[in-house]
Amino acid sequence: ETGVTQSPTHLIKTRGQQVTLRCSSQSGHNTVSWYQQALGQGPQFIFQYYREEENGRGNFPPRFSGLQFPNYSSELNVNALELDDSALYLCASTPGGDTQYFGPGTRLTVL
Amino acid sequence: AQSVTQLGSHVSVSEGALVLLRCNYSSSVPPYLFWYVQYPNQGLQLLLKYTSAATLVKGINGFEAEFKKSETSFHLTKPSAHMSDAAEYFCAVSGLSGGYNKLIFGAGTRLAVHP
Repeated sequence: ETGVTQSPTHLIKTRGQQVTLRCSSQSGHNTVSWYQQALGQGPQFIFQYYREEENGRGNFPPRFSGLQFPNYSSELNVNALELDDSALYLCASTPGGDTQYFGPGTRLTVL
Repeated sequence: AQSVTQLGSHVSVSEGALVLLRCNYSSSVPPYLFWYVQYPNQGLQLLLKYTSAATLVKGINGFEAEFKKSETSFHLTKPSAHMSDAAEYFCAVSGLSGGYNKLIFGAGTRLAVHP
């Protein structure tokens, strides 16, 4: 049990739509990262937020955006969905230091 | 730049046999190394981590890994496999770069355990 929760568990969208995924971390976890895990692959880093500011980004286009809130919750927003966006989206939080604790993920299917 | 290579996308062992999952890394800075396990339809659970202290790291569920700088390896082992060990295992490297820490994962190794 990592104390990181994500919602919804599953989601089905169609191409061109927009989606918002949510994550809730433990109190005191000031850093949150989001990862995309395509089927049969390892997770890929999307971006990281620290104290409500984006402080790092992977190789993902601007239509992937995020927010972090003072209550240790965060969001991943994806605009103009494409078929290749179908994946498991993982949120990970850090209390400080090097270890990231992952939530159960949101499975997004784009039709 | 950092990268991780996991040798063998699928490993199959008998219950009670040694488990060996291979991981090699590349890093231009002193690395932090991790092993995570993923059970079907679940997120990632931390098994163990190396952060420049002891080179032999013990984790949960009887797993351990040894950091070998000369071989740039961080292989995961367990002396005796259990049916419940069947899962996907990911090796990851992390290092402070550009003011933030991100995990770079290998492609994963699926472990099957048969009776």
